Parts: sequence; C-alpha cells; structure tokens
Amino acid sequence: DQQVKQNSPSLSVQEGRISILNCDYTNSMFDYFLWYKKYPAEGPTFLISISSIKDKNEDGRFTVFLNKSAKHLSLHIVPSQPGDSAVYFCAASEDGGTSYGKLTFGQGTILTVHP
Amino acid sequence: GAGVSQSPSNKVTEKGKDVELRCDPISGHTALYWYRQSLGQGLEFLIYFQGNSAPDKSGLPSDRFSAERTGGSVSTLTIQRTQQEDSAVYLCASSLGGVGIGFFGPGTRLTVL
Repeated sequence: DQQVKQNSPSLSVQEGRISILNCDYTNSMFDYFLWYKKYPAEGPTFLISISSIKDKNEDGRFTVFLNKSAKHLSLHIVPSQPGDSAVYFCAASEDGGTSYGKLTFGQGTILTVHP
Repeated sequence: GAGVSQSPSNKVTEKGKDVELRCDPISGHTALYWYRQSLGQGLEFLIYFQGNSAPDKSGLPSDRFSAERTGGSVSTLTIQRTQQEDSAVYLCASSLGGVGIGFFGPGTRLTVL
C-alpha cells in the first residue's frame, strides 16, 4: 500500500520556467511533509518542509503548497536552473514532532531542466 | 569528514551469506536512521535510534535484519542469510532530533547474487 505517491516518474522543463512536482498521500494521520532532492551516487538532501497547519511555505526559489482536503502537495521551483536536475522525493510524517525520522517516501520524480 | 559516511559503498554477496553495513553519523547527532531504496521504489524506513532510548525497529522487514548503535555514534546494520530481494541501496541518515532528516549518507549498494 503506497501511502505517498508521486505519479509522474519524470518531468522535463526549460531553464527559467517553473517546475511543478506533485505528490499525493492517503494517510490522514500525516501532518508534516518534506521534499528531498537526490543527485546520482549521493544521499537525498533535505530541501523544504511544511506543517499541516500551513498551506504554503516558501524558501527562495522553492515553494511547497499543501492542500489537506485533497491530500495533495506540490513543490514549485521558479525559475528552474540546470543544477536543479535531480530526483525529487516527497515524504510524510505522522504526529509531527514525535515521529521524528520515521518518514514515508514517494517513489520520486526525475526532474530534468534543459538549458 | 563533515557529513554522514557509509561503508562499503558497494557490496556484492552470494545468497545465504551475512553482510554488515556501517554508518558513521555526523558527530553530535543524537538521531540515526536506516532506510533502503529498492529499484524503482521510494525510500523504505528500517530502524531509528534516538539517544539512549530503545530503537524503533518497526520497519525491519524480517528477523534476518538487525542493527546496533555503539556508544551513541557508529551504527552497523546486519543482514543474515541474505536473499536476492535484499538487493537495494541502504541509506543511513543522522540528525539532531526533531521531525525530518537533514543529512543522509551516500548509501551502500547491496547486490545479492
């Protein structure tokens, strides 16, 4: 049972345009969501997170939106840069603050930003 | 080094053999986690250590898997009698605690023939 789903295996975007990565979840107990970025042969690196009490969190070029009623979150990258090309994972946690690192991950979306 | 390190980076073993994977977390990080990523899948939680508390082993897929953390620092994940379905990238991560993980290691790619 895949509780966190990233239905798009890949996304291709032109440099300077917006990249939108989507993630859906089924477990209504999830209350904290994170995005990670992974380059080949490296471990994932934390990018941005959002608590369920918010619907938007912004950090520079990265913005995460959360729609709790739809159990959907998205990561917007604008403007996209070639260095953003990587695999992006969405992850979720239950009982924010007590589940710590026990995260449920999606399958990942490969983002390619073309110069 | 400044980051989480894991060894070996690659391990090829024969079905039925035991393997040990090592993780050196960032110095001072009290929380340590093991995840694995099978081909085409997302990361799967295995086990979590936090300070001196009993580890959360709820993600270990079978009793062939075990992990320990010595002295609150280095951790070893042991897989006994390896099976082909154990083939995956095993990732270790550490953090100061709190929700989410900031720092993953590069992983150990395990291939069971």
